[in-house]
Amino acid sequence: DGGITQSPKYLFRKEGQNVTLSCEQNLNHDAMYWYRQDPGQGLRLIYYSQIVNDFQKGDIAEGYSVSREKKESFPLTVTSAQKNPTAFYLCASSILGPGVHEQYFGPGTRLTVT
Amino acid sequence: AQTVTQSQPEMSVQEAETVTLSCTYDTSESDYYLFWYKQPPSRQMILVIRQEAYKQQNATENRFSVNFQKAAKSFSLKISDSQLGDAAMYFCAYRKASGSRLTFGEGTQLTVNP
Repeated sequence: DGGITQSPKYLFRKEGQNVTLSCEQNLNHDAMYWYRQDPGQGLRLIYYSQIVNDFQKGDIAEGYSVSREKKESFPLTVTSAQKNPTAFYLCASSILGPGVHEQYFGPGTRLTVT
Repeated sequence: AQTVTQSQPEMSVQEAETVTLSCTYDTSESDYYLFWYKQPPSRQMILVIRQEAYKQQNATENRFSVNFQKAAKSFSLKISDSQLGDAAMYFCAYRKASGSRLTFGEGTQLTVNP
């Protein structure tokens, strides 16, 4: 079954700790994305990557870091510098190139920092 | 920068009736794509329908159709014969043809009443 997996589904951390959210896809997609979703708000882009070993900042990259060492994997680290890390995090992937390609989403990770 | 606006935070519809969700966007691009995604209580994002800006014909997918008005920069979603399973948050999204990142609206929470 092709798809995107995110783990864990729920994550709890103490303030001041870094935490890494996992995202893996077996769709052979070149592009991967991380979004943050807060209650009553749309999805905001944190980082995205179109090729291995390269990534670009989205609209709210401060306090986050990513890596793309393998095509299938795009982990997101929420650092202690992120002022308001409690949120729902969604990973997505897509084909690159011309055409109305959709983004496919994982099930999400709910991060709670106390 | 592109922006997407959904002016209806909440909408409700009776089962079997028709409802229209509004979306407007702002762009200086001439070639782009528009999407409607659904996020049910499970929070899994699901593509509902997509539209290519260069196509004048409105996209349809079973009970879902769009009214795409390029000059007015409007992209509304019509759900016919509403079902209880249509209850979800609906997001409108924009992508320029030469890019890969999506810009999302704030979402419309749809309630379907039996």
